[in-house]
Amino acid sequence: QVQLQESGPGLVKPSQTLSLTCTVSGVSISSGSYYWSWIRQPAGKGLEWIGRVYSNGNTNYNPSLKSRVTISVDTSKNQFSLKLSSVTAADTAVYYCARDQGGADPWGQGTLVTVSS
Amino acid sequence: DIQMTQSPSSVSASVGDRVTITCRASQGVSSWLAWYQQKPGKAPKLLIYAASSLQTGVPSRFSGSGSGTDFSLTISSLQPEDFATYYCQQANSFPWTFGQGTKVEIK
Repeated sequence: QVQLQESGPGLVKPSQTLSLTCTVSGVSISSGSYYWSWIRQPAGKGLEWIGRVYSNGNTNYNPSLKSRVTISVDTSKNQFSLKLSSVTAADTAVYYCARDQGGADPWGQGTLVTVSS
Repeated sequence: DIQMTQSPSSVSASVGDRVTITCRASQGVSSWLAWYQQKPGKAPKLLIYAASSLQTGVPSRFSGSGSGTDFSLTISSLQPEDFATYYCQQANSFPWTFGQGTKVEIK
């Protein structure tokens, strides 16, 4: 079955760039049938959609983050990635990757990223 | 952005109860509406997509309805494993947005 797994540093310093990778198994990203999304959730709060990428590199971003976000895809590794620049404490959250098909499914288990010096 | 408002924010219910959660969009989203269940420390799980389509493997006691701006998720007979937080999400207009969540608690 399709599985997603997030990876990357759990601690990022303020003003630096947060970088996460999502490794997909069970389906080829290059099959071109789906978009691939990043979503985050601060502790005890709700869900925020960050953006998504298609297999050809086309992206859609949340305007609230657009100036700081880059989502890219590496079909050779069956991975897609998130970069969020100039982070502050407000970017501390659990970050999830997910397949986007009119609803997000499946999701990765999530990875906690803390922004702190 | 389209604002998604869920009600109630929390509900206390007993096993076997029928529970309905509503979700209202600030503007029409057609049928581009999904429902998720999230348990503590876990990723959300897709229950319903396209407003009323049951995701594969989800028990039939879950159902969704609505279109345009008003939607609902119904659990026909609450089971112990259903105590969780539920979110709606619109996928009609960017950015995708979620409701604030409804916590279903044990009475």
